[in-house]
Amino acid sequence: KNQVEQSPQSLIILEGKNCTLQCNYTVSPFSNLRWYKQDTGRGPVSLTIMTFSENTKSNGRYTATLDADTKQSSLHITASQLSDSASYICVVTLAENQGGKLIFGQGTELSVKP
Amino acid sequence: NAGVTQTPKFQVLKTGQSMTLQCAQDMNHNSMYWYRQDPGMGLRLIYYSASEGTTDKGEVPNGYNVSRLNKREFSLRLESAAPSQTSVYFCASNRVRTPYNEQFFGPGTRLTVL
Repeated sequence: KNQVEQSPQSLIILEGKNCTLQCNYTVSPFSNLRWYKQDTGRGPVSLTIMTFSENTKSNGRYTATLDADTKQSSLHITASQLSDSASYICVVTLAENQGGKLIFGQGTELSVKP
Repeated sequence: NAGVTQTPKFQVLKTGQSMTLQCAQDMNHNSMYWYRQDPGMGLRLIYYSASEGTTDKGEVPNGYNVSRLNKREFSLRLESAAPSQTSVYFCASNRVRTPYNEQFFGPGTRLTVL
């Protein structure tokens, strides 16, 4: 069964600290993996997108990594800010010949405290 | 360029009432999607429209109908609302056949069925 599991479910860190969010998936074959940020009361917004052949992608203070062998991805946030408080969602896209469907993780709720 | 817009933002219905959720995009995207988001779960696909004039069921279509009115607009209808349909509904769109196939999301409609 195609699944995306994220950990931890929630995380509280102090402003200025780094953190890493995890995503394990069983989706195969897949075309890309992306991380979305969802602020409270808003729709998800894309942070990074990696194809199966890429193993790292950065967007400012956000760096995503992908290990296709172990089927794991991580999102590292450097020097966290209060505005980083949000839900972070890992999404894996099935290969086009498998329908191209998106498989969503349940999200990690990050809270950055002053 | 407003991206993906949704109306209404909030709605409260009584069991058995009907309503239509509206979605429009101004990015000239071919495909549009309706998702629901429930606490502790990933987004789940209700219906999608790969192109103007076509619609297909997603993962959880029961109790819903859709209309792709034109290339810009994709509506979701609840004919007889049930408390199990209390959720946050997101519309999304993308231009297929791009390397990253990114979906852009609207701000969501928060629906409560009493």
